[in-house]
Amino acid sequence: EAGVAQSPRYKIIEKRQSVAFWCNPISGHATLYWYQQILGQGPKLLIQFQNNGVVDDSQLPKDRFSAERLKGVDSTLKIQPAKLEDSAVYLCASSLTIGRGGDEQFFGPGTRLTVL
Amino acid sequence: RKEVEQDPGPFNVPEGATVAFNCTYSNSASQSFFWYRQDCRKEPKLLMSVYSSGNEDGRFTAQLNRASQYISLLIRDSKLSDSATYLCVVRMNTGFQKLVFGTGTRLLVSP
Repeated sequence: EAGVAQSPRYKIIEKRQSVAFWCNPISGHATLYWYQQILGQGPKLLIQFQNNGVVDDSQLPKDRFSAERLKGVDSTLKIQPAKLEDSAVYLCASSLTIGRGGDEQFFGPGTRLTVL
Repeated sequence: RKEVEQDPGPFNVPEGATVAFNCTYSNSASQSFFWYRQDCRKEPKLLMSVYSSGNEDGRFTAQLNRASQYISLLIRDSKLSDSATYLCVVRMNTGFQKLVFGTGTRLLVSP
């Protein structure tokens, strides 16, 4: 079974530039998550989709971050403009349903972003 | 106070040793608990769920103490391949049931 796919794997940009990340979840998984993992910290949830609807974006810095999942399958996360503190690994995860008991989240390999 | 707190380590142990990690959580309404493993520069992967009655999977044993809001992971007979970061994870009892991760505890097993 194919896992969660993400691209690009690495990205280096200068501050104030824009960047976009792409995620394709496991086939059939209704719920998709974007996490930010800063070096030395655990992943922090940025946004959670159920099909193509947002169910939690309370920790998404909406002045510069946006995400969409238009057809309820793959998703993009955008940062515009980037700041130095956005340097992190951006992890996408998916699960069959919206986190019911025993429902596992599967993570993609992540995109490592460096903002100079 | 952080929602999920862990000692970042690193814990340096020899092969064959027994090592234990602890984790505390602040929200008493937390619903479910997990340990994830994250290898260097890799994605997190579910190691095991943590049940109130405790559970064991081979060399790994997880315990939950709801009264003290405390979770533990015990690894017996450590292997070199156990070297990784172990993330304590709590599922919050909110409408969206999001996962909250601790910072992780780094384990280094040496020959």
